Amino acid sequence: DIQMTQSPASLSASLGETVTIECRASEDIYSNLAWYQQKPGNSPQLLIYDANSLADGVPSRFSGSGSGTQYSLKINSLQSEDVASYFCQQYNNYPDTFGAGTKLELK
Amino acid sequence: EIQLQESGPGLVKPSQSLSLTCSVTGYTITSGYDWSWIRKFPGNKMEWMGYISYSGSTNYNPSLKSRISITRDTSKNQFFLQLNSVTTEDTATYYCASRIWYFDFWGPGTMVTVSS
Repeated sequence: DIQMTQSPASLSASLGETVTIECRASEDIYSNLAWYQQKPGNSPQLLIYDANSLADGVPSRFSGSGSGTQYSLKINSLQSEDVASYFCQQYNNYPDTFGAGTKLELK
Repeated sequence: EIQLQESGPGLVKPSQSLSLTCSVTGYTITSGYDWSWIRKFPGNKMEWMGYISYSGSTNYNPSLKSRISITRDTSKNQFFLQLNSVTTEDTATYYCASRIWYFDFWGPGTMVTVSS
């Protein structure tokens, strides 16, 4: 199985700040990577697919980048509604595997 | 828009089978997508369990292959998860989701506790 190493595990940031979350794959996943947001009590919501494509309805302050084994999710101008957990998923090889998640809080 | 809703017992005894239903509205499950089950453990680890495709073929996580079965009832637009011989390590929140390659629509999830 492809291992997805996500960092940091938790993150505290101020309103308006830019934050970056990273995922590293144990082998090349050819940009077959998605990012999700999960707020407490809710199901995950797709943010980014194919490493850098914004899902429908997702604010443009979210962006994804990367290639090969290294990928990142950037949130520009952090808003209060961005407080959530974020996790990555690779779908290059079965079984799909997920990062361990990043919990984002407001400072 | 596609909507999914999980249902089933919230408590299962060790060694028994866990059975969940996912009801889909807004889309016919034979029209497209892979219809998946995913679970999130108490420590927040996520695991893809498997799917049944729109054509009826299945694909399972090898870690579960001997215990899992995903089936469907096309007349009710539902698909099902059966996980056999459960242990306390199967305690998790179970989600059904539609999968292209990524998961674009999810159900709200149902928490299942395995305990005697």
